[in-house]
Amino acid sequence: AQKVTQAQTEISVVEKEDVTLDCVYETRDTTYYLFWYKQPPSGELVFLIRRNSFDEQNEISGRYSWNFQKSTSSFNFTITASQVVDSAVYFCALSEPFQTGANNLFFGTGTRLTVIP
Amino acid sequence: AAGVIQSPRHLIKEKRETATLKCYPIPRHDTVYWYQQGPGQDPQFLISFYEKMQSDKGSIPDRFSAQQFSDYHSELNMSSLELGDSALYFCASSSTQTEAFFGQGTRLTVV
Repeated sequence: AQKVTQAQTEISVVEKEDVTLDCVYETRDTTYYLFWYKQPPSGELVFLIRRNSFDEQNEISGRYSWNFQKSTSSFNFTITASQVVDSAVYFCALSEPFQTGANNLFFGTGTRLTVIP
Repeated sequence: AAGVIQSPRHLIKEKRETATLKCYPIPRHDTVYWYQQGPGQDPQFLISFYEKMQSDKGSIPDRFSAQQFSDYHSELNMSSLELGDSALYFCASSSTQTEAFFGQGTRLTVV
């Protein structure tokens, strides 16, 4: 069963619009980590954020913000005032270090964001 | 700051050939991971090593093997290559206190 679901396959927005990328996860562990990675057209995976399951505080980093809600098993990502350089595929991921014994990541299927100038 | 280094960046092989991908983790990182990302797909975990010992195994075909050496670099060996092995192969490294940092990937094309 998919552990991470990103229901939005593709999103297009016009530059300067705000956009939220949804992520819903599934785990039986009480201790886990959630991540967001960005994959621009060049192909590399760029780390954006890691959040542990005990820290439900929302986080803001510049134009990026994340909303973690354990009650709904969601870890959504918002880009404010989007820019063309934000165009990329964004992956949400989960690790369950105490269940798997390792920190390998389960990725969602990704959301392709296109920001139109 | 030093990042994860993967070589080669691009590789073209014929069916049934063998390929070896190399990964040099960030210094002092004790864990290395290998992922395979097919076209339009999400990265899939293949295998990981902690302190040179295999720590977890994912969807790695029997035709593939990997190891981590005494200098912590890792190699992914792929034999009897098939067209479906064409993908972007990522290596990542982490320490117990950090998230996984990914290399730029090796794009393997099997023709």
